[in-house]
Amino acid sequence: EVQLVESGGGLVQPGGSLRLSCAASGFTFSSYDFYWVRQAPGKGLECISYISGSGSSIYYTESVKGRFTISRDNANNSIYLQMNRLKPEDSAVYYCASLTSGWHPLFDSWGQGTLVTVSS
Amino acid sequence: DIVLTQSPATLSVSPGERATLSCRVSQSISNTYFAWYRQKPGQAPSLLIYGASNRATGVPDRFSGSGSGADFTLTISRLEPEDSAVYYCQQYAGMPRTFGQGTKVELK
Repeated sequence: EVQLVESGGGLVQPGGSLRLSCAASGFTFSSYDFYWVRQAPGKGLECISYISGSGSSIYYTESVKGRFTISRDNANNSIYLQMNRLKPEDSAVYYCASLTSGWHPLFDSWGQGTLVTVSS
Repeated sequence: DIVLTQSPATLSVSPGERATLSCRVSQSISNTYFAWYRQKPGQAPSLLIYGASNRATGVPDRFSGSGSGADFTLTISRLEPEDSAVYYCQQYAGMPRTFGQGTKVELK
């Protein structure tokens, strides 16, 4: 069974840091690209970061560039998001996801999400 | 970035009736790189349609996707109670992947 399990969310003060983790199981992890998708309370979905299967290609949306760092450990089937200099507008549920693609159209899997709250 | 605009924002439909959701893309894209998701309250989104018109594994045939270029449609032919949710369109023709703002489907 394909499974993605996020952890690491919580309450942090503005300017603080958090590291989110996503543990994957049930599929050939290194063959798939991953995204971090966030959803602010009552709002829509936003892809904020991407990492290719090999880790050689990475993307950040403008609002997190320079503050967030995505990485992966293919030996341990894990994805990470290091979040620094957090702002209140970063408060959201953060999902780890491997999304449908031209290469793997039927493979689309999401974690349950982890809540990040940035507040003093 | 490619912008997706969904309409309507909210749709109220009686059980057994048809629901039609629209998504307009800010530039023409290949059908191959267009998807629909459903998000039930408190859950992660789940894939309904990929490649504009292909149902994902386990998706009932009352869900169908159509469209091309810059205009896409999701049709739910016979609404059931569990279809009450927010529906998002997504394009993956260009980076970043972008989602529409969502259409909330409510049952009357």
